[in-house]
Amino acid sequence: AQSVTQLDSQVPVFEEAPVELRCNYSSSVSVYLFWYVQYPNQGLQLLLKYLSGSTLVKGINGFEAEFNKSQTSFHLRKPSVHISDTAEYFCAVSDFNKFYFGSGTKLNVKP
Amino acid sequence: ETGVTQTPRHLVMGMTNKKSLKCEQHLGHNAMYWYKQSAKKPLELMFVYSLEERVENNSVPSRFSPECPNSSHLFLHLHTLQPEDSALYLCASSQEGRGYEQYFGPGTRLTVT
Repeated sequence: AQSVTQLDSQVPVFEEAPVELRCNYSSSVSVYLFWYVQYPNQGLQLLLKYLSGSTLVKGINGFEAEFNKSQTSFHLRKPSVHISDTAEYFCAVSDFNKFYFGSGTKLNVKP
Repeated sequence: ETGVTQTPRHLVMGMTNKKSLKCEQHLGHNAMYWYKQSAKKPLELMFVYSLEERVENNSVPSRFSPECPNSSHLFLHLHTLQPEDSALYLCASSQEGRGYEQYFGPGTRLTVT
């Protein structure tokens, strides 16, 4: 079974600052990687996914993530955050038709 | 409607009640999932249905009973719940196979009193 580690449970950041949310996974075999966002009182929404090809993946709302196979990481980044990015972010790994979610990182964007 | 819908959005029930949560997907997917999301806990996968057959049951207490009458609908029947069952219950759907993302509904906020 896979394990997905999101190292930071909460990340406070000021508006217009850059942010990086970290995600590491356990497996060395081929996996598919995802980032989801959850706004208050809503379900999870897909931000971006990595299946193959370029290791830099661009998603919605200006987010991007970089797949690093040697470090088994898939960190999420945004160069300039907005108040509206305040939400919880989940990293997920798909392996043989199973999904494994991290415990989530709450991003709190302050004015 | 599009995507994945869930009803009701909020539910308060006593420990002796029986209620059902409903999920409907309009995406033509063939796999559906129930998750439990509690405060300060990771997302917990409860049940997986693939092609209308239950393929996974992650040690969920029998007071939760899923039903998948067809590939578009998924129910979670609840009876004699405990206060610790209070949580956000999320339904998701996907196309079966590696690499397909899951699409989530908005969830049902359940409070057991």
